Amino acid sequence: KQEVTQIPAALSVPEGENLVLNCSFTDSAIYNLQWFRQDPGKGLTSLLLIQSSQREQTSGRLNASLDKSSGRSTLYIAASQPGDSATYLCAVGSSNTGKLIFGQGTTLQVKP
Amino acid sequence: NAGVTQTPKFQVLKTGQSMTLQCAQDMNHEYMSWYRQDPGMGLRLIHYSVGAGITDQGEVPNGYNVSRSTTEDFPLRLLSAAPSQTSVYFCASKKAGGGAVNEQFFGPGTRLTVL
Repeated sequence: KQEVTQIPAALSVPEGENLVLNCSFTDSAIYNLQWFRQDPGKGLTSLLLIQSSQREQTSGRLNASLDKSSGRSTLYIAASQPGDSATYLCAVGSSNTGKLIFGQGTTLQVKP
Repeated sequence: NAGVTQTPKFQVLKTGQSMTLQCAQDMNHEYMSWYRQDPGMGLRLIHYSVGAGITDQGEVPNGYNVSRSTTEDFPLRLLSAAPSQTSVYFCASKKAGGGAVNEQFFGPGTRLTVL
């Protein structure tokens, strides 16, 4: 059974710092991996989607990498801003049916 | 496009009551799914659908029913609410096929409390 783990559960950094959020999964036979952002009391916003054949995806200050052999993905946030404060969720898809297995998230606080 | 919409945003039920959580999408997405989010448990899949008339169970289906009569709508029914169903419910959708279309879009959620 696929299990997704995100460490740390919470992270607090000063503004301007570059940071890395980690996601690990137990079964390397994944179809894709998606990173989401969730603000308090809100829904999920898709940040980046990485196909199983890809190594990384970039969007603005965000870069997500995927290493299937080691069962790991990282989300790199450059030059963090207070507006980046949110919970970041990693989700693994095992097929193209849209079924996702989620990690429990990393709650990020960026202090001005 | 409105994207994925959910109603109601908040709901309080008494144990044993029934209700339907509504989900609609206007992106012509074939695949739709329901998740619940609980503290310490993350998001877990309840039911999903790969097209009109086709549904299947996810990880935590007990106590919930679904049907998919149209591409746009995917309602979630609680037949007899229990306190264990207190949660935040999210509906999601995506297009069929591979590649970049696998990106999933989520609705704003329904916050349900069962007393």
